[in-house]
Amino acid sequence: AQTVTQSQPEMSVQEAETVTLSCTYDTSESDYYLFWYKQPPSRQMILVIRQEAYKQQNATENRFSVNFQKAAKSFSLKISDSQLGDAAMYFCAYRSYYNNNDMRFGAGTRLTVKP
Amino acid sequence: NAGVTQTPKFQVLKTGQSMTLQCAQDMNHNSMYWYRQDPGMGLRLIYYSASEGTTDKGEVPNGYNVSRLNKREFSLRLESAAPSQTSVYFCASRASGGNFQETQYFGPGTRLLVL
Repeated sequence: AQTVTQSQPEMSVQEAETVTLSCTYDTSESDYYLFWYKQPPSRQMILVIRQEAYKQQNATENRFSVNFQKAAKSFSLKISDSQLGDAAMYFCAYRSYYNNNDMRFGAGTRLTVKP
Repeated sequence: NAGVTQTPKFQVLKTGQSMTLQCAQDMNHNSMYWYRQDPGMGLRLIYYSASEGTTDKGEVPNGYNVSRLNKREFSLRLESAAPSQTSVYFCASRASGGNFQETQYFGPGTRLLVL
């Protein structure tokens, strides 16, 4: 089974600075999807960004971008110009292209933004 | 357009009691999911329903049953609650086909405490 590892239980960043959250995954599949979800204190899971493994270009959504390294099985999230509202738990997730109902999540990284 | 809704928001049960968690979505999605989230862990899939009339086990199905009542509603039942089932439960849905088939949308969660 695929596994997702987030090695940083907690991270902190100064407001307006840049922070990178790490994620690695283990799979033998060649096609899959990767996601970053944000979970603020309200507990709502919010999709931040997604990446299809067959696309070489890294996904970008406004201040959020990813560094997808397929060979290294690494999928990090970069948050630029951090804002107080970015404070949350961030979960990395993997979903197989072939079994698209089974999504695996990492344990999460708690991001604190300091004013 | 409410998205994915869950009831109740919070519930306290005694060991051995039963209850049903309700989930509904108004996005006309075919697939629906139930996850649990425990401290220090990511979300884990309990059961899913790929389409109306079908259900399948996920990673942690023991102690749970599900019903896909219609396309909109997907319920999770605990027949005899145990303290190990204390968790936050999330329902999610996903469209099938098209450019957005890979995105899951989550409900706000149900916090369950089993004493």
